[in-house]
Amino acid sequence: GQQLNQSPQSMFIQEGEDVSMNCTSSSIFNTWLWYKQDPGEGPVLLIALYKAGELTSNGRLTAQFGITRKDSFLNISASIPSDVGIYFCAGQTLQGGSEKLVFGKGTKLTVNP
Amino acid sequence: GAVVSQHPSWVICKSGTSVKIECRSLDFQATTMFWYRQFPKQSLMLMATSNEGSKATYEQGVEKDKFLINHASLTLSTLTVTSAHPEDSSFYICSATPPAPYEQYFGPGTRLTVT
Repeated sequence: GQQLNQSPQSMFIQEGEDVSMNCTSSSIFNTWLWYKQDPGEGPVLLIALYKAGELTSNGRLTAQFGITRKDSFLNISASIPSDVGIYFCAGQTLQGGSEKLVFGKGTKLTVNP
Repeated sequence: GAVVSQHPSWVICKSGTSVKIECRSLDFQATTMFWYRQFPKQSLMLMATSNEGSKATYEQGVEKDKFLINHASLTLSTLTVTSAHPEDSSFYICSATPPAPYEQYFGPGTRLTVT
C-alpha cells in the first residue's frame, strides 16, 4: 500500500531556531497536507498544498509540494515553545470514490526555552 | 469555520459492552466523514469512510460487524464499538470534509478504555 516516509522522527531544538522536516513517497498524491497534533487532541490542519511545486506560507510556517508530487517539506522559522507537538504529513488521493489520507509516522518536536 | 466535534471525549467501559461515539460537523455540511484509530505514539490509521445515506466503506482488516458506522445526516456520523474488548482501547478520531475545498478537518478525538 501507499506509505509516507517522514523524517526526522524527533527533533530537540532551542527556542528561536528554525526547523525543517520532510516527507517522501513512492506514490503520487493529488494534495499534500501538514497537520499538528497536541497530546490528547485531534490533528489541526496547518497547510494544504494542491499544485506540484507550490510553496505556501502560514505565518512562521512554510511548506512546499514537490515537483514530482511525491514529496513535501515543512519549515518552521523562529520556533517558540508552543510549537511543541507532533507534526504529520499526509498525502491525499482518490481511492474507492473518496479522497483518502495516508499519514506519515510523525515528527515529534521539542522546543527548549 | 470547519469545526468538528466529538462526544464523548473519553469513555471507560467494561469488556463485552458497546460504546457509541458521535462526530459532528458544526458549521458545515460534510459530504464525507472518516474514522481513524490511533495507538500511543503511532500515526493515524484509517478505519472507514462514510458518506451520508450510504453504507460505510471499511479498510482492509477492520471488522465491519464490530465497528458499526452510521452516517444519518450531513452533520452527524456515529461509530459504535460492539462487544468491546481491552484490545479495542485506543484513541478514536473522526474527520469531515466540506464540499470544497476537499480538506479533512479533525475532531478532538475520543479516548476509549475497555476494562
